[in-house]
Amino acid sequence: DAKTTQPPSMDCAEGRAANLPCNHSTISGNEYVYWYRQIHSQGPQYIIHGLKNNETNEMASLIITEDRKSSTLILPHATLRDTAVYYCIGHAGNNRKLIWGLGTSLAVNP
Amino acid sequence: SQTIHQWPATLVQPVGSPLSLECTVEGTSNPNLYWYRQAAGRGLQLLFYSVGIGQISSEVPQNLSASRPQDRQFILSSKKLLLSDSGFYLCAWSRRDSGELFFGEGSRLTVL
Repeated sequence: DAKTTQPPSMDCAEGRAANLPCNHSTISGNEYVYWYRQIHSQGPQYIIHGLKNNETNEMASLIITEDRKSSTLILPHATLRDTAVYYCIGHAGNNRKLIWGLGTSLAVNP
Repeated sequence: SQTIHQWPATLVQPVGSPLSLECTVEGTSNPNLYWYRQAAGRGLQLLFYSVGIGQISSEVPQNLSASRPQDRQFILSSKKLLLSDSGFYLCAWSRRDSGELFFGEGSRLTVL
């Protein structure tokens, strides 16, 4: 699975959009981009995934560049409860081979 | 709807003592099951993977073992804990190899 690179930490004001970047320049054509988040002392929670088209669900939007070398997770109106570590993962279809990095620690401030 | 539970939530054990962490999934059948460990400041490390009853794959050599006595039950065990076994243990399930992972609440183990 593709190695991904994320900034270690970010801050966002409550009510504003949080834009979390992820670089995956080595991603192959059949690898999806998955996003999970982990609130402190809890298990990770699935957010969204995509292949090459932009995706949106009730939690977030995922914007994938046309060359698929990077993506951005957008939380449109961040709340304090969105404070968590966000993981971006390249996924070729086998959960056993996922590489979990350290993610981005997002702090939403009042 | 599907749910996953693991227990105990926290555990403090002396070195050399045994360990048993249990995980159960409800609302689905024949799930893929996983045990992960998350050490402080580290990413998630896959320990064990199971596609069915009695079928366990170990991803890394270690002091731990896993068993799946029933379709939706996954147990992580050790006969003698080491200090290095301390960490946050997470059970997860997925519908298939490539699907989303759904995690339990986690079990924090401290070995003293």
